[in-house]
Amino acid sequence: GQNIDQPTEMTATEGAIVQINCTYQTSGFNGLFWYQQHAGEAPTFLSYNVLDGLEEKGRFSSFLSRSKGYSYLLLKELQMKDSASYLCAVTMDSGGGADGLTFGKGTHLIIQP
Amino acid sequence: DVKVTQSSRYLVKRTGEKVFLECVQDMDHENMFWYRQDPGLGLRLIYFSYDVKMKEKGDIPEGYSVSREKKERFSLILESASTNQTSMYLCASSLADPRDNDQPQHFGDGTRLSIL
Repeated sequence: GQNIDQPTEMTATEGAIVQINCTYQTSGFNGLFWYQQHAGEAPTFLSYNVLDGLEEKGRFSSFLSRSKGYSYLLLKELQMKDSASYLCAVTMDSGGGADGLTFGKGTHLIIQP
Repeated sequence: DVKVTQSSRYLVKRTGEKVFLECVQDMDHENMFWYRQDPGLGLRLIYFSYDVKMKEKGDIPEGYSVSREKKERFSLILESASTNQTSMYLCASSLADPRDNDQPQHFGDGTRLSIL
């Protein structure tokens, strides 16, 4: 089975830094995606990690530890437009061909002035 | 930019009806997916397809079927709609790269389906 956990809701202040954690227990783990979803809109791709370590992309960074089954998304210099749900999703090593994503339930991030 | 278009933003149908949800992508992607998104449950994979006329069951295929007659179009079919299929349905597509199966999925804006 697959189990992906992330906090339901977080609150942070404009200009600050926030870290959203995701832990997973899956068989045949391959890689981990982070998506952002504003209310009423489609999820949009933020980052992908397959190797251990930190991937930085502007204000957003994502970290993966395969041995610990753990990832986090780090958002710096928070802006009001960062208020959204952040979805952690994993892919499996199926040995070839596409596989769908298995998503966590998402973290609703609220940015306060 | 990748464009994934779902035919309806909002749809209301009655119990027992056969319902078709259409999805079209314009980037020649091999892979297409259907998810449903429910409060407290997140996104769950219903079916996916990695080639024309090919389909694979996801995590919750019961009560659904799919059709992929053309590469750009992936249809989700509710054979006999029930109230527990009221949900937001999201279509996605991704490129097939033999060197790296994990290409980002690009999502449509979703169809909010209500079954009365």
